[in-house]
Amino acid sequence: DVKVTQSSRYLVKRTGEKVFLECVQDMDHENMFWYRQDPGLGLRLIYFSYDVKMKEKGDIPEGYSVSREKKERFSLILESASTNQTSMYLCASSLTRLASYNEQFFGPGTRLTVL
Amino acid sequence: KNQVEQSPQSLIILEGKNCTLQCNYTVSPFSNLRWYKQDTGRGPVSLTIMTFSENTKSNGRYTATLDADTKQSSLHITASQLSDSASYICVVSGSLEAAGNKLTFGGGTRVLVKP
Repeated sequence: DVKVTQSSRYLVKRTGEKVFLECVQDMDHENMFWYRQDPGLGLRLIYFSYDVKMKEKGDIPEGYSVSREKKERFSLILESASTNQTSMYLCASSLTRLASYNEQFFGPGTRLTVL
Repeated sequence: KNQVEQSPQSLIILEGKNCTLQCNYTVSPFSNLRWYKQDTGRGPVSLTIMTFSENTKSNGRYTATLDADTKQSSLHITASQLSDSASYICVVSGSLEAAGNKLTFGGGTRVLVKP
């Protein structure tokens, strides 16, 4: 079974702090994704990566950056956390870029609260 | 603009009863459509996937249908159980995604099964 793990289930940070969210997958997947999920808005794509050291902006990249130094690890960075970044953050991975294999496997999520 | 609309937003059903969730999409071109189940505080888990040529797919008590002509899908839950209480998310994948595996998510339907 594919396993996607996230470093924290719950996180509380203060405005202006630098925040790191870590995600690790154990199935040698090429693609990795970061989403945020808010009530009434569904899942929105922040950034994704289809190879080591590669990254692409999603629909809402402002205020975030990412790092993918190793294939299995994809980090989301909030350079200066703000209250409007309070949300559930979900990491996902998928096997290849080919559409027919693009099931995304999700981690358990990190609920981030910025005070 | 690619969109996925789900209805209803929420519903309450009695244990043992059936229910049907709806998904309408405008994603083009179309590759496949998935239904995900998301338990509270957890990441989504895939229930079914259907490609253009498939019009029905079952996974236990869950049956999904797809009408690619009208761009509509439904998820039918038979003989509901308390464990079916969750959000159900319709996700559509477009083919030829040069940026790799970007998906369009619906807002989800929250189902509450009462004893």
